[in-house]
Amino acid sequence: AQTVTQSQPEMSVQEAETVTLSCTYDTSENNYYLFWYKQPPSRQMILVIRQEAYKQQNATENRFSVNFQKAAKSFSLKISDSQLGDTAMYFCAFMKPNTGANSKLTFGKGITLSVRP
Amino acid sequence: DAGVTQSPTHLIKTRGQQVTLRCSPKSGHDTVSWYQQALGQGPQFIFQYYEEEERQRGNFPDRFSGHQFPNYSSELNVNALLLGDSALYLCASSSRAGEQYFGPGTRLTVT
Repeated sequence: AQTVTQSQPEMSVQEAETVTLSCTYDTSENNYYLFWYKQPPSRQMILVIRQEAYKQQNATENRFSVNFQKAAKSFSLKISDSQLGDTAMYFCAFMKPNTGANSKLTFGKGITLSVRP
Repeated sequence: DAGVTQSPTHLIKTRGQQVTLRCSPKSGHDTVSWYQQALGQGPQFIFQYYEEEERQRGNFPDRFSGHQFPNYSSELNVNALLLGDSALYLCASSSRAGEQYFGPGTRLTVT
């Protein structure tokens, strides 16, 4: 079974600064996907960024980028130029591709990020 | 294009009662997954439906059951409610090769 660990329960960052959220995972699979989801107080879970394990290049989406270390089973999220709207819970998630229908997502416990004005 | 929709938004039930939650997937999606999110925790996978059949199931008792209709919408049923069933229930839809898009969730409170 796969596990996802987010050991930092909460973090705070000043607006416009950079923050890194940590995530580690455990799996015996070689091919899989990793995700960061954002959940603001409105509760809607929003996909931030996705990384395929077979890709060596780290994924980037505007101000969001990841540091994917496959051997270390580490998947951190870097948020540059933090904005007040980035305040939310952030979840790291793992998915093992399945034949046929999509596989399930395994989530970490999440980290609460607060951006200070 | 409407995204994933869920109803109702909030629900209050008494222990022992039964509840049905509903989900309509995003247009073009044929797979629906359900997750339970306790307060301050990450979502936990309940089960997944594809082609009107339960394809995968997480570690949840048989009190949790579901259904998928020909139009791909889905229901989650919970029987004999316990206080511990109080949570946010999230529905996510996807196509076979795509990412999971989440709905806004249904907040269930069991008293």
